[in-house]
Amino acid sequence: QKEVEQDPGPLSVPEGAIVSLNCTYSNSAFQYFMWYRQYSRKGPELLMYTYSSGNKEDGRFTAQVDKSSKYISLFIRDSQPSDSATYLCAMSGTGGYNKLIFGAGTRLAVHP
Amino acid sequence: GAGVSQSPSNKVTEKGKDVELRCDPISGHTALYWYRQSLGQGLEFLIYFQGNSAPDKSGLPSDRFSAERTGGSVSTLTIQRTQQEDSAVYLCASSPIGTGGNEQFFGPGTRLTVL
Repeated sequence: QKEVEQDPGPLSVPEGAIVSLNCTYSNSAFQYFMWYRQYSRKGPELLMYTYSSGNKEDGRFTAQVDKSSKYISLFIRDSQPSDSATYLCAMSGTGGYNKLIFGAGTRLAVHP
Repeated sequence: GAGVSQSPSNKVTEKGKDVELRCDPISGHTALYWYRQSLGQGLEFLIYFQGNSAPDKSGLPSDRFSAERTGGSVSTLTIQRTQQEDSAVYLCASSPIGTGGNEQFFGPGTRLTVL
């Protein structure tokens, strides 16, 4: 079993929809949770970064962490075709430096 | 400011040849990471540098893989005697001091194809 599980999709939604992306994990030592967006043939771009449980909002994006369930989510409101990309969750512990453990990535397509 | 840069962007090589991949991190970032992204495997950690030292090499898949960092800046990942299973996108990331490595900024990657 992988430490981080993420449904690879693809997920196809109409423009304007609310998108929900999720990851589950098994390692209770994870404390930091990130979401990256990766366009085709580009490097991952950091979207959201949260520490421990709770919610964080940035524009149309909301990240949620539920450590008791080992479950994290990214919500995208009013989705746009430009949001079409692969979304990667990543997480790390508190070892003083942190290699990131990634999910497989969910491919999202927002169609006009 | 300038982001993380990597060169070459694409590399095609023959099985058994050696390759060198280069990473230029964001200026002032003390931490540098190499990852590999391949189909079916996702993004896998390879090695981490703090300054010129590599405290964690645990992700290097075999002794054919090595990396160095000089001047606390540029890093080179070397793969000797390449194999077809080495084909992947090799990504470099850097992180500023004070973030514990939790904010990592990625370069565009080097796409390696071993024929």
